[in-house]
Amino acid sequence: DTAVSQTPKYLVTQMGNDKSIKCEQNLGHDTMYWYKQDSKKFLKIMFSYNNKELIINETVPNRFSPKSPDKAHLNLHINSLELGDSAVYFCASSQGTWLSNYGYTFGSGTRLTVV
Amino acid sequence: QQQVKQSPQSLIVQKGGIPIINCAYENTAFDYFPWYQQFPGKGPALLIAIRPDVSEKKEGRFTISFNKSAKQFSLHIMDSQPGDSATYFCAASRAGTYKYIFGTGTRLKVLA
Repeated sequence: DTAVSQTPKYLVTQMGNDKSIKCEQNLGHDTMYWYKQDSKKFLKIMFSYNNKELIINETVPNRFSPKSPDKAHLNLHINSLELGDSAVYFCASSQGTWLSNYGYTFGSGTRLTVV
Repeated sequence: QQQVKQSPQSLIVQKGGIPIINCAYENTAFDYFPWYQQFPGKGPALLIAIRPDVSEKKEGRFTISFNKSAKQFSLHIMDSQPGDSATYFCAASRAGTYKYIFGTGTRLKVLA
């Protein structure tokens, strides 16, 4: 049983297209996240939802729109894809409001390549 | 103040060696310092974590040393094995927040 699952694992698309990445967790966690990992492996938070409510929205172009239909799912929609959006996108989840108690569980990532 | 600086960027050791990865932070409000291990094609996984009220924590072959006054912490891997070859990230978080600030990562290669 995969705790945090993302689909698709790989995504190759042309500039200007719109694409979505889906994430589901079966851990019963109440908080979910999207992180972007660039080519240098740097991990940067993009968004976080707690019980379907947006709680973190870092400086991310508004072409990126997260949606959380319920606390087990967090999807990421990207409009008008650009070359610079190429990266690995990780979904993660955690339980509770205090990371010091629980930490994150990450998915395996979605490698997005924009050509 | 939000940065976590990690070094070295890459590290190569022989099997059985003790690689040491260092991190430094500025924000004294941080109260939780985890290390994550990432294998190629996988997401990061929690390895070990420490709070600032202790100076050292050991879990198996992995040890975190914490120096609160210097605002530094480090990961030591005892008797390193080729299977430890991965990218290691330090991170920090502050009570009441939902996010980690990650270091820039260290690519470790353990030679057989």
